[in-house]
Amino acid sequence: SQQGEEDPQALSIQEGENATMNCSYKTSINNLQWYRQNSGRGLVHLILIRSNEREKHSGRLRVTLDTSKKSSSLLITASRAADTASYFCATPDLIQGAQKLVFGQGTRLTINP
Amino acid sequence: EAGVVQSPRYKIIEKKQPVAFWCNPISGHNTLYWYRQNLGQGPELLIRYENEEAVDDSQLPKDRFSAERLKGVDSTLKIQPAELGDSAVYLCASSLGLGGASEQFFGPGTRLTVL
Repeated sequence: SQQGEEDPQALSIQEGENATMNCSYKTSINNLQWYRQNSGRGLVHLILIRSNEREKHSGRLRVTLDTSKKSSSLLITASRAADTASYFCATPDLIQGAQKLVFGQGTRLTINP
Repeated sequence: EAGVVQSPRYKIIEKKQPVAFWCNPISGHNTLYWYRQNLGQGPELLIRYENEEAVDDSQLPKDRFSAERLKGVDSTLKIQPAELGDSAVYLCASSLGLGGASEQFFGPGTRLTVL
């Protein structure tokens, strides 16, 4: 079963604009992770935010977590063509085992030059 | 530091044929994962190893899929016989700590096409 759901499924913006992707999940979590996948490549870890954190930054990335709404957002500022990729949120399955990460379906981001 | 290595990168086979995928995790990573990713979907865990022990294989179709991790390092995932619905990208990942609480490092994947 999939825990996280990303929204929107696809997003197309102009280079230089900001991109915001959202993730909603169903059950309690102790952390939430965001991954990026370029076409034909494996996934790359971007950032991990713990359940007691509300916001976290890494370079041009800003992640927020609202545990009361069971949602997270990923903001990419000043987007570049190289940011074109699919972005996935992932949460631990605390019911079946905290070691299991459950991924959403992803947001496909396209940055137009 | 080398990343997670997988081979082959691409495989095309006819249905009912066997196929095997190989993964070499990052040195020192005790936990190894095999995922399957269908087109337009996120990865789904097939099996997780802690050293050489399979500790979570609940999503592995055991009638046709098998996996092993000899000596707690390299791992092989096998499908025999393959079916049309097995067409997907098979991803291997490894982590230093518990996968749900730490970063997972993914290989480039093997894209399997079953004809």
